[in-house]
Amino acid sequence: EAGVAQSPRYKIIEKRQSVAFWCNPISGHATLYWYQQILGQGPKLLIQFQNNGVVDDSQLPKDRFSAERLKGVDSTLKIQPAKLEDSAVYLCASSLRPVSQGGSTEAFFGQGTRLTVV
Amino acid sequence: SQQGEEDPQALSIQEGENATMNCSYKTSINNLQWYRQNSGRGLVHLILIRSNEREKHSGRLRVTLDTSKKSSSLLITASRAADTASYFCATDEGTTDSWGKLQFGAGTQVVVTP
Repeated sequence: EAGVAQSPRYKIIEKRQSVAFWCNPISGHATLYWYQQILGQGPKLLIQFQNNGVVDDSQLPKDRFSAERLKGVDSTLKIQPAKLEDSAVYLCASSLRPVSQGGSTEAFFGQGTRLTVV
Repeated sequence: SQQGEEDPQALSIQEGENATMNCSYKTSINNLQWYRQNSGRGLVHLILIRSNEREKHSGRLRVTLDTSKKSSSLLITASRAADTASYFCATDEGTTDSWGKLQFGAGTQVVVTP
């Protein structure tokens, strides 16, 4: 089966500019995650969708970050305006359905988008 | 905040040796998972152990879970150069509120030299 697709792979922008990342999860996966991974650290959950609804966005800096998952499939993550500290790899992942619905939370990750803010 | 903490932060071994890394977490969980990340790439799921399991094997991997100590260990036996990667534990609280929310630790960087 096809994996999680992300684009672009790399992006360099100046601070205060805006940027958008795109993710196409594995077909049929209800749960979609966006993680931010700063160099040398573990992934930090930004937002989690269940179908097209937001389950958790408690760690999303909502003054500058936004995300949507229209029709419960593809998702976009936007940063506007970007700051230097947003430089990181942005990982998208999907899983079939949560344990509370009898599923497995094994997550499948895309290759990520490496963002550099200069 | 991150749920899991891996120990050690870095590990250097020779091919053929075993590699052991530990993960401690803070809250009750439904399951704990281990992932591998090669440099510059996405994470790959290795193994999942449920809260009612104490040990699980998959190929050269052995995972243990001690819920009373809120800790887990990952053992890689007979390591190979291709095992060079960062290894992360991730916890799933599995409650209705958390809905399969996966929280990762900071990782253990493993280097296997030929």
